[in-house]
Amino acid sequence: DVKVTQSSRYLVKRTGEKVFLECVQDMDHENMFWYRQDPGLGLRLIYFSYDVKMKEKGDIPEGYSVSREKKERFSLILESASTNQTSMYLCASGRGARDEQYFGPGTRLTVT
Amino acid sequence: RKEVEQDPGPFNVPEGATVAFNCTYSNSASQSFFWYRQDCRKEPKLLMSVYSSGNEDGRFTAQLNRASQYISLLIRDSKLSDSATYLCVRYTGGFKTIFGAGTRLFVKA
Repeated sequence: DVKVTQSSRYLVKRTGEKVFLECVQDMDHENMFWYRQDPGLGLRLIYFSYDVKMKEKGDIPEGYSVSREKKERFSLILESASTNQTSMYLCASGRGARDEQYFGPGTRLTVT
Repeated sequence: RKEVEQDPGPFNVPEGATVAFNCTYSNSASQSFFWYRQDCRKEPKLLMSVYSSGNEDGRFTAQLNRASQYISLLIRDSKLSDSATYLCVRYTGGFKTIFGAGTRLFVKA
């Protein structure tokens, strides 16, 4: 069974703090994704990675960066958290972009 | 027009009913489509892929109409456990996957 885990289920941070969200998958998938999910907007792609140290911007990369030093781990970094980054963050992995994506349980981040 | 558009609902149906959702898309070059299911406060999970010829899996049927640019999901004999949000997903090529905002379904006893 594919398992994608995320470091925290709930996180509260202050404006201006640096925030790290970690994601680990155990299925040796090449591709990993970070999304945010907001009511009425669906899931929006922030960044994806197709290999170790390789990354591509998604639709809303501003204010975020990512790191993939190992195949199984994909980190999302908020350099200076802002209140408009309050959201549900979902990590996913998959063999290919047109294949099934397996999601982690999500991290609900609140920035105050 | 949004790239993927869904009626947010909610659809409130009794157990045993048949319910159908549509999802419209704006780019005729779209390649693949999927339906994901997301339970309350849970992550999305793949329900089924949508093939050009249609796809059936038990009580669930998915269809693609390229001429009118929509896909549909039909649920027959609804169960209480079908209550969830159903996400329409379009793969457009490369690494681009677009998720709709979802349609909420409540099945009541």
